[in-house]
Amino acid sequence: AQKVTQAQTEISVVEKEDVTLDCVYETRDTTYYLFWYKQPPSGELVFLIRRNSFDEQNEISGRYSWNFQKSTSSFNFTITASQVVDSAVYFCALSGSGGYQKVTFGIGTKLQVIP
Amino acid sequence: ETGVTQSPTHLIKTRGQQVTLRCSSQSGHNTVSWYQQALGQGPQFIFQYYREEENGRGNFPPRFSGLQFPNYSSELNVNALELDDSALYLCASSSRRGVQETQYFGPGTRLLVL
Repeated sequence: AQKVTQAQTEISVVEKEDVTLDCVYETRDTTYYLFWYKQPPSGELVFLIRRNSFDEQNEISGRYSWNFQKSTSSFNFTITASQVVDSAVYFCALSGSGGYQKVTFGIGTKLQVIP
Repeated sequence: ETGVTQSPTHLIKTRGQQVTLRCSSQSGHNTVSWYQQALGQGPQFIFQYYREEENGRGNFPPRFSGLQFPNYSSELNVNALELDDSALYLCASSSRRGVQETQYFGPGTRLLVL
């Protein structure tokens, strides 16, 4: 069975602070994919990143960076110099060999960036 | 803008009624997935359609059914509505079935069952 744990339900930071959102996953698949999505108050899920289990390189995209560590089954997401527009619910998700049909989402972390 | 639209945006129904939710995918996207997102929860996979055929289903009863049309639109039908069906319903489209292809989500339909 697959499981995604996002232990932080809500985080508040002051604008320009850095913030890390934690994601821990469980799977028995040897090939799997990890995702992060952003859901602003409008409700539309926005794809941020997809990482497969064979690629442990960290990735940076502008102010966003991701740290994938297989040894600890974690896929953490850091926002550098946070902005008010970053306020949203962020979901970590996991998919095995079944593709999108078998995507398991975490409960989400609500991030509030205070001006 | 993802190019995926959903209608209606909000809907109120009473228990026992039937509802049809609609999704219009990006042109060329022949895969559509539907998700249910209860308040304060992550989305849950309902089913996926690929080229007008159901291509996988989550743990949802048969009263949840769907259709996909050649014009890249699709429907989610829910019969005999229950109070627990109150949720945000999201559709997502992609041009292929695999996870190598990015999904694009619509804004969702918020359904309230009274």
